[in-house]
Amino acid sequence: QFVLTQSPSASASVGASVKLTCTLSSGHTNFAVAWHQKQPERGPRFLMKVNSDGSHKKGDGIPDRFSGSSSGAERYLTISGLQSDDEAEYYCQTWSVDLSWVFGGGTKLTVL
Amino acid sequence: EGQLLESGGAVVHPGGSLRLSCTASGFTLSGYALSWVRQAPGKGLEWVTTISPSGRSYHAESVKGRFAISRDNSKNSMSMEMNSLRVEDTAVYYCARVLEKWLVQDAFDMWGQGTAVTVAS
Repeated sequence: QFVLTQSPSASASVGASVKLTCTLSSGHTNFAVAWHQKQPERGPRFLMKVNSDGSHKKGDGIPDRFSGSSSGAERYLTISGLQSDDEAEYYCQTWSVDLSWVFGGGTKLTVL
Repeated sequence: EGQLLESGGAVVHPGGSLRLSCTASGFTLSGYALSWVRQAPGKGLEWVTTISPSGRSYHAESVKGRFAISRDNSKNSMSMEMNSLRVEDTAVYYCARVLEKWLVQDAFDMWGQGTAVTVAS
């Protein structure tokens, strides 16, 4: 079973940086993931697609403060210069060869 | 830059049916795979179903045999017919576009604002 694991919560202060982690299950460590931001009462927002080599493709209008990277089975989303508006749930997503799509459980980011 | 707009959400009884629609503006849906994703109250995002550019469909086990996805490129829209609805289908439903044209297995790069479905007696 294809599983993406995320920490349930994270917090950091305004102006600081935070690195969110998405871990791919065994046997799928070379898969790309996408990161999405979900704020209450709004549709999800595509942030970027992160490949296994760390290269990433951002969505339209996503600021440079958002960046992606990879190491082994982990895919990262780093947000620098945190702003209060960054407070949201962040989901990673991937897609399997049996044509199903999987989301991680999400990380709720609190900006202090 | 395009947009997706969902419609059709409502309150229905268990066992009932509903049809959700997703219309695109600012771009042409033809050539893109399209999906429905839902978020139940207090839960995370859950993939529901996807339709390829050619019309082939894929479903999560939880909705297989009950939900059907379709597309009408001439109307720049897609739909999802939901039958035998259950209380656990209560969620906000989002339509989403797959990133690369003509690919099916890829990230979702555009999302709608969502439409709420409540299944309750």
